[in-house]
Amino acid sequence: GENVEQHPSTLSVQEGDSAVIKCTYSDSASNYFPWYKQELGKRPQLIIDIRSNVGEKKDQRIAVTLNKTAKHFSLHITETQPEDSAVYFCAAINFGNEKLTFGTGTRLTIIP
Amino acid sequence: DAGITQSPRHKVTETGTPVTLRCHQTENHRYMYWYRQDPGHGLRLIHYSYGVKDTDKGEVSDGYSVSRSKTEDFLLTLESATSSQTSVYFCAISESLGASQLADHNEQFFGPGTRLTVL
Repeated sequence: GENVEQHPSTLSVQEGDSAVIKCTYSDSASNYFPWYKQELGKRPQLIIDIRSNVGEKKDQRIAVTLNKTAKHFSLHITETQPEDSAVYFCAAINFGNEKLTFGTGTRLTIIP
Repeated sequence: DAGITQSPRHKVTETGTPVTLRCHQTENHRYMYWYRQDPGHGLRLIHYSYGVKDTDKGEVSDGYSVSRSKTEDFLLTLESATSSQTSVYFCAISESLGASQLADHNEQFFGPGTRLTVL
């Protein structure tokens, strides 16, 4: 089955700086990669996703990049703000298999 | 938030007792999932359902059973709770993660979670 590794497990950045979270996956057939944000005590919520036929996707301050050859994808947050503090999860899935495999999460702390 | 509720939201029980958690959706989505969330492990799939009476195991299914007799309800049962099952349990729904090319059909929505403590 699919295995997703996520690094780092914790990350602290100064407000206004950029943050990068990286994930690798094992199943070369995986073709959809969402990122979820979970604030303290809340449910995970989708913030951005990317399909395997796309190399990069942006949504305002958030971007995701995908390298299919190396089987890794990354979340980039620019101009970080205090409300970006949360736990972020990456995930991967193969079309036709309706089961997401999640990474173990990254706790991002934005330092004012 | 998508129309997903979980009940109860908090429960404390003793080892050896049966526990049933309920997930209810009003979105008429086909797929429903139960995850557990533990520090250092992220979200791990327990069981999922791809239709009424159609279920399958996830990566951590031992000690858990599920049932789905209606589209809107997905029940998770711990037949005999153990302390290792102390966790936060999330239900999730999706219309279809893979089959549709439309972005609206690809999101997995999570319920608010149930915090279960087994003493």
